[in-house]
Amino acid sequence: GAGVSQSPRYKVAKRGQDVALRCDPISGHVSLFWYQQALGQGPEFLTYFQNEAQLDKSGLPSDRFFAERPEGSVSTLKIQRTQQEDSAVYLCASSLGTVGNLRPQHFGDGTRLSIL
Amino acid sequence: AQKITQTQPGMFVQEKEAVTLDCTYDTSDPSYGLFWYKQPSSGEMIFLIYQGSYDQQNATEGRYSLNFQKARKSANLVISASQLGDSAMYFCAMREDTGRRALTFGSGTRLQVQP
Repeated sequence: GAGVSQSPRYKVAKRGQDVALRCDPISGHVSLFWYQQALGQGPEFLTYFQNEAQLDKSGLPSDRFFAERPEGSVSTLKIQRTQQEDSAVYLCASSLGTVGNLRPQHFGDGTRLSIL
Repeated sequence: AQKITQTQPGMFVQEKEAVTLDCTYDTSDPSYGLFWYKQPSSGEMIFLIYQGSYDQQNATEGRYSLNFQKARKSANLVISASQLGDSAMYFCAMREDTGRRALTFGSGTRLQVQP
């Protein structure tokens, strides 16, 4: 498809397990963002990539969260030693270009993570 | 202080009527963009409309228009001729030209369109 693709759509893990969430952005989109959305809340920023460079990771809640985009396209968000408070929807967004605020971010359907 | 405030947790509107969803924002950056997104129960975040801080005219996209009042720092979304398929969560978001490139979202308004 032409949109942002995220997998898996749903993920259930036991507390303490590691998880990996995948995002395949729109082809040619330079910028890639990860957001965390708690139930009933708006999304909150986690991290930002420009091509393969992670330019901002100020939103990552702890050092258990790690993101990469090694070839400047697909990105993976990894959460180590998951905790119950990590339960949320994880949204990936991409946008064309890097400068200015004109270009909207296009979102994937998200991964709903549940930690038991 | 919150950067994006949406004071209406829930709104009801009759089908075919117009509805206004409120959004106020706070920034000291002279250059910024304001966005509205729709999130149906299925979860995807759908871009609706954009307004730049230097735009002279209010943005419009089909049945969506943005009532931008810069001095009041408000960017209300107006949906005309509501349809049942408009029932969803609506998020207002802002991106400032300085600092991080990410969107800052409000807490959202749940709109329910009644037949």
